[in-house]
Amino acid sequence: EAEVAQSPRYKITEKSQAVAFWCDPISGHATLYWYRQILGQGPELLVQFQDESVVDDSQLPKDRFSAERLKGVDSTLKIQPAELGDSAMYLCASSLGDSYYEQYFGPGTRLTVT
Amino acid sequence: DQQVKQNSPSLSVQEGRISILNCDYTNSMFDYFLWYKKYPAEGPTFLISISSIKDKNEDGRFTVFLNKSAKHLSLHIVPSQPGDSAVYFCAARNSNYQLIWGAGTKLIIKP
Repeated sequence: EAEVAQSPRYKITEKSQAVAFWCDPISGHATLYWYRQILGQGPELLVQFQDESVVDDSQLPKDRFSAERLKGVDSTLKIQPAELGDSAMYLCASSLGDSYYEQYFGPGTRLTVT
Repeated sequence: DQQVKQNSPSLSVQEGRISILNCDYTNSMFDYFLWYKKYPAEGPTFLISISSIKDKNEDGRFTVFLNKSAKHLSLHIVPSQPGDSAVYFCAARNSNYQLIWGAGTKLIIKP
């Protein structure tokens, strides 16, 4: 069964350092989502791509976060510089298209900023 | 206002009995409601959905009920099994086709 791949699974970094997360969605899925999940809360959408274009990044802290999906396939989320409050689970999900409600999630990257 | 609330952080149920997880929402324009299940160290996986024009959807041991007048939905699991122990998220789709998520309820099935 096709899965969404994410790496790394765990990342520990010091504040002010740069970190990057990678996501490879299910083949053929046009829509890709990056979420942040803080312990005890539900996922919060950071950015949504339709193919290589950003559909919504209104919740992305653009002073330190950036995301790209250059060829409309895999995607990278970057944080520079990392802050203590960025410690969270970063989840990537994909769907066939933005009108499809079912999203398929990767295992996530657990980020700890010290 | 777009909020989805799961007011019970945790729920403990005896194996074989019914588990009922609840979710409330504020926006009457949500068109689909979904339940996801999450095990530790894994991403959420889709469990069951319901359209806003329906009041019930059933899939094996899982049934979701929607009460639009109360802006409330619930997930029933019958009978509950040890493998059902997980965190359950309720999510609702808005007019931008984006999912708004609740905080989750941790379900513990006791043997």
